[in-house]
Amino acid sequence: DAGVTQSPTHLIKTRGQQVTLRCSPKSGHDTVSWYQQALGQGPQFIFQYYEEEERQRGNFPDRFSGHQFPNYSSELNVNALLLGDSALYLCASSFLGVGNTIYFGEGSWLTVV
Amino acid sequence: GENVGLHLPTLSVQEGDNSIINCAYSNSASDYFIWYKQESGKGPQFIIDIRSNMDKRQGQRVTVLLNKTVKHLSLQIAATQPGDSAVYFCAEDSGGGADGLTFGKGTHLIIQP
Repeated sequence: DAGVTQSPTHLIKTRGQQVTLRCSPKSGHDTVSWYQQALGQGPQFIFQYYEEEERQRGNFPDRFSGHQFPNYSSELNVNALLLGDSALYLCASSFLGVGNTIYFGEGSWLTVV
Repeated sequence: GENVGLHLPTLSVQEGDNSIINCAYSNSASDYFIWYKQESGKGPQFIIDIRSNMDKRQGQRVTVLLNKTVKHLSLQIAATQPGDSAVYFCAEDSGGGADGLTFGKGTHLIIQP
């Protein structure tokens, strides 16, 4: 049973560019969340997707957008990249609802230069 | 604002000793708590969780204690092994699963041989 898989694992972008990160949830999971983790910090919640809709959003600007597909996989898009967007981007999946175990992928390391 | 925090950034223990990692939270509405282990360059790995209607839960070599009176959470690791070296995060869910998890900054557990 594959866990949460993310791609790419590492990438380098230039300021002002756009990036798309991809996530496949753990088999059977219907809910996908995205987190940003800066070096030395805990993950910060970006948003959550369920039934192809954004259910809730953390304190992130509109440059951060996402999508969930019918097969529950998801994409995170970041436009107009800033140096401060350099971080580990984590995807997490679960069944909908509190108390259901949330599993994380290994993340995508984004460096903005 | 309300957040989840950890008391110590680094904890050093002898191999074979028991480790106790502490976490303070301030959101009394939180009803679900999780401990994650994050090794260098990897995503957070689920260790153990606890609902707010419990005060103790045990897993394999790990125990989580929840004291709602003082809003305190702890993770106890028995007979610490070299493979336990990692950063440990506590996380809380106060949004019924919809608002994402709120993470603390993490405690770096170092195992001395």
